[in-house]
Amino acid sequence: NAGVTQTPKFQVLKTGQSMTLQCAQDMNHEYMSWYRQDPGMGLRLIHYSVGAGITDQGEVPNGYNVSRSTTEDFPLRLLSAAPSQTSVYFCASSPSLAYEQYFGPGTRLTVT
Amino acid sequence: SQQGEEDPQALSIQEGENATMNCSYKTSINNLQWYRQNSGRGLVHLILIRSNEREKHSGRLRVTLDTSKKSSSLLITASRAADTASYFCATGLKSNDYKLSFGAGTTVTVRA
Repeated sequence: NAGVTQTPKFQVLKTGQSMTLQCAQDMNHEYMSWYRQDPGMGLRLIHYSVGAGITDQGEVPNGYNVSRSTTEDFPLRLLSAAPSQTSVYFCASSPSLAYEQYFGPGTRLTVT
Repeated sequence: SQQGEEDPQALSIQEGENATMNCSYKTSINNLQWYRQNSGRGLVHLILIRSNEREKHSGRLRVTLDTSKKSSSLLITASRAADTASYFCATGLKSNDYKLSFGAGTTVTVRA
């Protein structure tokens, strides 16, 4: 099993550009989530999904969109990048929140 | 806002010593999870403790949970250089099965 994979590993965007961060898991997990990690702030939940076709907002959803058309994939879209979105983004999956979360290696995004 | 808060923010110990860090939270939980993050990498799950449990062990790790005080502690015994990392607690809230809330973490440095 590859576990949770994220692409790209690094990305530099200009303000106003859009892009999609990819996340995939091969463990047949129903629950998937996106977090951002900023220095000294821990992880903050952006969006999550409890199954294909079902998504909901987390703590900091503004400026981000998600969709879940399959169990395996959970892409995160930045609609119009802003410098405040410079961060490290982590995707995670699990059978449910009652179990451990499996994290991807992260995407380091810089918006100039 | 973050539900869990770790204390201390940073900890420096000699190899072979024990390291203890604490996590306090504000509202009732279903479970509490501890994760480790090595520099620049994704989070790795260490232990999950449910609200009806008081103590769990895994190798050199011991986690306690006191729901009356809304706090948990993580003890690493006989620390090694490889234990140098940031440690995060995450709480699964009773009021919401789908959101996991992370603290800002404790950075542990183990000196050789």
